[in-house]
Amino acid sequence: KAGVTQTPRYLIKTRGQQVTLSCSPISGHRSVSWYQQTPGQGLQFLFEYFSETQRNKGNFPGRFSGRQFSNSRSEMNVSTLELGDSALYLCASRRGPPSGANVLTFGAGSRLTVL
Amino acid sequence: KNEVEQSPQNLTAQEGEFITINCSYSVGISALHWLQQHPGGGIVSLFMLSSGKKKHGRLIATINIQEKHSSLHITASHPRDSAVYICAVKSSYNTDKLIFGTGTRLQVFP
Repeated sequence: KAGVTQTPRYLIKTRGQQVTLSCSPISGHRSVSWYQQTPGQGLQFLFEYFSETQRNKGNFPGRFSGRQFSNSRSEMNVSTLELGDSALYLCASRRGPPSGANVLTFGAGSRLTVL
Repeated sequence: KNEVEQSPQNLTAQEGEFITINCSYSVGISALHWLQQHPGGGIVSLFMLSSGKKKHGRLIATINIQEKHSSLHITASHPRDSAVYICAVKSSYNTDKLIFGTGTRLQVFP
């Protein structure tokens, strides 16, 4: 059974550019959540989706956005990149809605470097 | 003050030792996660618990809701247990919005 797949695994961008990261959940999982990890701030919640609807959003500026498709795959986009956006971006999926008892399964992450 | 505090921040142990990592939180929660992160970044969910105690192999997690405290125990530690262990709380029932602790870096030497 394939795990949560994140692409690309590594990428380098320059300030002002935009980036799109992809997350394919485990087959049958309909909840996808996104997290940012930086050395300074640690892990922080970005947003979560269930059945193509954004259910909750963390305390990030509007440059951070996301969406979920009908096959449960999710993308997140960061526009007008800043140096501080350099981070490991992790997504996680679960089988049912966020209220369920199933544990989260994390992807390996996409490591973004902004120069 | 962080809403989720972990201790210790760093922990060194000899193979075979019993290890305890603590997590205290100051918010109401619906569940608490223990996560393991190896170098390279991948995160593995070890436990999700809302009461009592759970055991998986050499790992045991306990939670005391009244005291807002959880512990992760590793029995008979092994060098492959070396990783960062992260406590995260789910503040509400109907969300995966997690509040994370800063992590405990564990190194187990042979």
